[in-house]
Amino acid sequence: DQQVKQNSPSLSVQEGRISILNCDYTNSMFDYFLWYKKYPAEGPTFLISISSIKDKNEDGRFTVFLNKSAKHLSLHIVPSQPGDSAVYFCAASRGAQKLVFGQGTRLTINP
Amino acid sequence: AAGVIQSPRHLIKEKRETATLKCYPIPRHDTVYWYQQGPGQDPQFLISFYEKMQSDKGSIPDRFSAQQFSDYHSELNMSSLELGDSALYFCASSSLGNLETQYFGPGTRLLVL
Repeated sequence: DQQVKQNSPSLSVQEGRISILNCDYTNSMFDYFLWYKKYPAEGPTFLISISSIKDKNEDGRFTVFLNKSAKHLSLHIVPSQPGDSAVYFCAASRGAQKLVFGQGTRLTINP
Repeated sequence: AAGVIQSPRHLIKEKRETATLKCYPIPRHDTVYWYQQGPGQDPQFLISFYEKMQSDKGSIPDRFSAQQFSDYHSELNMSSLELGDSALYFCASSSLGNLETQYFGPGTRLLVL
């Protein structure tokens, strides 16, 4: 039972444009959501997070939006840069406990 | 800034052997989590420790055990290794002041032959 889903295995975006990565979850008890970036042979790198009491959190080029009624969150990267090419994982937790991950989306930024 | 350290980075074992993976959390982080990522899969939670006590347990086989020591480092002990145990094993840590955010180490790649 996949409680966190990233339905797009891959996404290709032109450099300078906006990248939008999507994530859906089924467990309404999740109260904290995070995005991680992962390069091959490295551990996930924390990018940005959002608490369920908010609907938006911004950090530089990265913005995460949370729609609790739709159980949906998205990560916006603008402008996209070649160094953003990586696999992005969405993760959720309940009460600051274990993370439940999505399957990941491979983002490719084309020059 | 100091990050989570994991050792070894790579490990090759035979079936039925044992393996010990080590994790050194970020300084002043008191909570450690272990995750397993199989090929083409998302990371799956194994077990966590807070202040040297087990705080949560996921889909960890009985052949695996773990503990957190007084210096907050943690070790994952894996016995009677099976081919299916081949995976990336990640350790993450968090601090009391920011429990929700877990910071990951580079992982240990275990290959069981």
